[in-house]
Amino acid sequence: AQTVTQSQPEMSVQEAETVTLSCTYDTSENNYYLFWYKQPPSRQMILVIRQEAYKQQNATENRFSVNFQKAAKSFSLKISDSQLGDTAMYFCAFSRRITGTASKLTFGTGTRLQVTL
Amino acid sequence: EAQVTQNPRYLITVTGKKLTVTCSQNMNHEYMSWYRQDPGLGLRQIYYSMNVEVTDKGDVPEGYKVSRKEKRNFPLILESPSPNQTSLYFCASSGQRGYGYTFGSGTRLTVV
Repeated sequence: AQTVTQSQPEMSVQEAETVTLSCTYDTSENNYYLFWYKQPPSRQMILVIRQEAYKQQNATENRFSVNFQKAAKSFSLKISDSQLGDTAMYFCAFSRRITGTASKLTFGTGTRLQVTL
Repeated sequence: EAQVTQNPRYLITVTGKKLTVTCSQNMNHEYMSWYRQDPGLGLRQIYYSMNVEVTDKGDVPEGYKVSRKEKRNFPLILESPSPNQTSLYFCASSGQRGYGYTFGSGTRLTVV
């Protein structure tokens, strides 16, 4: 079974600064996907970024980027130029790569990020 | 607009009174799933469905039922709700492996 660990329950960052959220996972699979989801106070789950394990290049989406270390089973999220709207709960998630179908998302316990003025 | 629609958004009920939370998606997705979110536990999968009439248990299926009679709909049924089922519930769907899920807006359920 896969597990996802987020060791930082809460973090705080000042507006315009950079913050990194940590995520580690455990799996015996070689092919899989990793995701970061954002859950603002509206509680909507929003996909922030995704990474395919067979791609060595780290994914980037505007101010959001990841540091994917496959051997270390680490998948951290970096938020640059933090904005007040980034205040949210952030979940790291893992999904197996299965031919022909989607598969279960396994989530970490989340990191609550507060962006302050 | 591509979306997953969940209803109701909020629900307060009493122990033992059967209830159904509806979920519908308009993206022709094959894979649908229900999750519950509890503080400190993240989201845990309750049930999933890989297609019409194909459903299976997730990690925390006890006390829940599902059905998938049509591709677009995947209701969650609590036949005899108990207070430990008080939680935030999400329905989600996915059409392509690896592209993540589209989530509904959540149902806050309180069982008293």
